[in-house]
Amino acid sequence: GAGVSQSPRYKVAKRGQDVALRCDPISGHVSLFWYQQALGQGPEFLTYFQNEAQLDKSGLPSDRFFAERPEGSVSTLKIQRTQQEDSAVYLCASSWGGGAGLGYTFGSGTRLTVV
Amino acid sequence: AQSVAQPEDQVNVAEGNPLTVKCTYSVSGNPYLFWYVQYPNRGLQFLLKYITGDNLVKGSYGFEAEFNKSQTSFHLKKPSALVSDSALYFCAVRDWNYGQNFVFGPGTRLSVLP
Repeated sequence: GAGVSQSPRYKVAKRGQDVALRCDPISGHVSLFWYQQALGQGPEFLTYFQNEAQLDKSGLPSDRFFAERPEGSVSTLKIQRTQQEDSAVYLCASSWGGGAGLGYTFGSGTRLTVV
Repeated sequence: AQSVAQPEDQVNVAEGNPLTVKCTYSVSGNPYLFWYVQYPNRGLQFLLKYITGDNLVKGSYGFEAEFNKSQTSFHLKKPSALVSDSALYFCAVRDWNYGQNFVFGPGTRLSVLP
């Protein structure tokens, strides 16, 4: 597609509920990243995929967070047993390669509110 | 470890005046530096990047940034601000030695007053 698409745009979850956030990267983009942006903060790295391989998950804050990209295109970020501190905007970004000089294309994000 | 500082939470400037949004960074290797802009309820949009070469980088919408290695800075500038430039600006650094991800600064909110 023309850009990185994320769904849903907004999600309200009750504390303890599981959620799944979807990212559709630009077609052909090899690299895919998930970031978490708390209110008033800069984005913080969660995890990185190159094709279907999850090469870096050092930013995932707990074992309640899980990401997958089984066919090397669409990715899902799953949060189990959500807690209030999980409330944030979750941003997905993709790039066509792994070169450090490449910028990303970001999606508009999913705003998760845990009540 | 990589880090990025944006010392100003908020920058106010009158329309037509020059603007500067400050950024300093810390990396162990060669930095790749980026500026992104975020409008309300939107994702981050790429403005410009420094990889190598000329220290003055020109980007989208008339923005430019100057890489200063000795001061470890990468300040964003524009000669004449527009009201439509009002947004949240993020500086980011990428160090190839530390993997693929960006480290973002905390952001600076730019308000351009008519």
